[in-house]
Amino acid sequence: QVQLQESGPGLVKPSETLSLTCTVSGDSITYYYWSWIRQPPGKGLEWIAYIYYSGSTNYNPSLKSRVTISIDTSKSHFSLKLSSVTAADTAVYYCVGLNSLYNWFDPWGQGTLVTVSS
Amino acid sequence: QSALTQPPSVSGSPGQSVTISCTGTSSDVGSYNRVSWYQQAPGTAPKLLIYEVSNRPSGVPDRFSGSKSGNTASLTISGLQAEDEADYYCSSHTSRSTYVFGTGTTVTVL
Repeated sequence: QVQLQESGPGLVKPSETLSLTCTVSGDSITYYYWSWIRQPPGKGLEWIAYIYYSGSTNYNPSLKSRVTISIDTSKSHFSLKLSSVTAADTAVYYCVGLNSLYNWFDPWGQGTLVTVSS
Repeated sequence: QSALTQPPSVSGSPGQSVTISCTGTSSDVGSYNRVSWYQQAPGTAPKLLIYEVSNRPSGVPDRFSGSKSGNTASLTISGLQAEDEADYYCSSHTSRSTYVFGTGTTVTVL
């Protein structure tokens, strides 16, 4: 059973770059697409990006200019970088498996809260 | 891309049925049978309930069912139970090969 674990700083200063990593265990990272999804406190879910082990990516158009998603199959992890952050980027960030055949998001990591504040 | 539109809240008594709508456009919900639904209890990660409009993963009770008509997908919870109190989100694949979520609906069991 695939398990996902997010890691990274819980506090980022405005205008800096948010960096998170998701470690995949229990199955090969080559079997799925991988995605990042975020949820501001008290608000809804927002899809950020996905990546395949081949390096194929796609991004939410509203975030595309600030987001980079990458993958390291040797370390079985994938990463998110979000630049020029503001308070509006404060959210719980989830790393998630994406089944591209049936278009479902599963499994989900437990999520990590990232607060943007000076 | 704009979020799919869901009602902010729905409620029902135990045993009743409730339906949550998810309205998109011809570029997402209306174009594909690639709509999924998620249940999120407070403080937890979302859980997959329905995929490809109406399919349930193993382990999801058959009280949960999905359907679609035009640009609107729907999730119905039959035989509402106290444990069904949660937030529910729809999601759709889009014509740009991106994904969009719904605005979310809080289900309250009276």
